[in-house]
Amino acid sequence: GAVVSQHPSRVICKSGTSVKIECRSLDFQATTMFWYRQFPKQSLMLMATSNEGSKATYEQGVEKDKFLINHASLTLSTLTVTSAHPEDSSFYICSAHGGSTGELFFGEGSRLTVL
Amino acid sequence: GDSVTQMEGPVTLSEEAFLTINCTYTATGYPSLFWYVQYPGEGLQLLLKATKADDKGSNKGFEATYRKETTSFHLEKGSVQVSDSAVYFCALRNKAAGNKLTFGGGTRVLVKP
Repeated sequence: GAVVSQHPSRVICKSGTSVKIECRSLDFQATTMFWYRQFPKQSLMLMATSNEGSKATYEQGVEKDKFLINHASLTLSTLTVTSAHPEDSSFYICSAHGGSTGELFFGEGSRLTVL
Repeated sequence: GDSVTQMEGPVTLSEEAFLTINCTYTATGYPSLFWYVQYPGEGLQLLLKATKADDKGSNKGFEATYRKETTSFHLEKGSVQVSDSAVYFCALRNKAAGNKLTFGGGTRVLVKP
């Protein structure tokens, strides 16, 4: 089946630095990818919809200057957490529709810890 | 807006026990309903889905029936295994809301041998 891969799976950074998370569709092209954030013991919250070749669409309350999304190709979307703070520590998950059924496939997630 | 409510965990069971995870939803129109499973260290995977009222989704021994009258989509499995230990998420997708997925809070299930 279709595979979505994220990298890195875990990252620890100092407060004030920026961190980039990659999301790749390995065997299909994805014009649209979705970025979610999952707090401990809570549900996934949609942050933004990443559109290839155009600006991302952010959900209400998500700072677009804080969470930069770039969808430069049909198989890669990146999420950059800029000037990270401890409250940005979370599990970030991407997804994309793929395969013959257009099912939504999820990446393994990236755990960010900001010290 | 749309919302999904599912029972809080953790749910701890013995092998071969019966599992039920309750899920209810609030949405306008006629959403599609999903159960996703997240095994330790892995991403979410679609477990089953139902796209209209009275549809039953099934996979790997799990079943859930789309009940519009009670706005529910409870997940059941008759005999769980240790390998079923995971976090289960109920979700809906609503055309009226731009086809975005709305997730429940997740229910952690731990099956002991």
